[in-house]
Amino acid sequence: DQQVKQNSPSLSVQEGRISILNCDYTNSMFDYFLWYKKYPAEGPTFLISISSIKDKNEDGRFTVFLNKSAKHLSLHIVPSQPGDSAVYFCAARLGGGADGLTFGKGTHLIIQP
Amino acid sequence: KAGVTQTPRYLIKTRGQQVTLSCSPISGHRSVSWYQQTPGQGLQFLFEYFSETQRNKGNFPGRFSGRQFSNSGSEMNVSTLELGDSALYLCASKVLAGDDTQYFGPGTRLTVL
Repeated sequence: DQQVKQNSPSLSVQEGRISILNCDYTNSMFDYFLWYKKYPAEGPTFLISISSIKDKNEDGRFTVFLNKSAKHLSLHIVPSQPGDSAVYFCAARLGGGADGLTFGKGTHLIIQP
Repeated sequence: KAGVTQTPRYLIKTRGQQVTLSCSPISGHRSVSWYQQTPGQGLQFLFEYFSETQRNKGNFPGRFSGRQFSNSGSEMNVSTLELGDSALYLCASKVLAGDDTQYFGPGTRLTVL
């Protein structure tokens, strides 16, 4: 049973436009969410996170939105740049001290010139 | 500050053998987690160590084990290798067990023939 789902395996966006990556989760006990970016042959790089007590967190070109009632979060990248082309993973952490992250299967973002 | 390092980066083994992978966390980080990444299952949590003690364990068979040393470095061991163990093994560190954000190393690519 996949508790964190990224339903779009790939997404193609034109340079300069907004990229929106989506993530759905099923476990209401998740209390912290993270987005990681991964290039081939490298480990995931932390991008941005959000606590379940917030509905928005912004860091430069990256904004994460959390809709707890819908169990949905999204990552917005504005404006999209060629270097943003990578696989993006959504991850969630259970509250109560269980620290292993549960990851989605990733969305491959392709920024087209 | 140097990032998480993992050795070796690439490894080829045959079925039935055993393998040991190493991880050095970011200086000052005391928590180390291990993940397995495969195309079919995505990133899956193996286990987490803090202060030389295993705190959490994912849903993997007992052939997968690990340990942490007093300098916070960690090793994971897989015994009686199976073809399905071929994967990218990622190590992640954070300062304390209760911290929210993990920082990943580049991974060890294990191929089992």
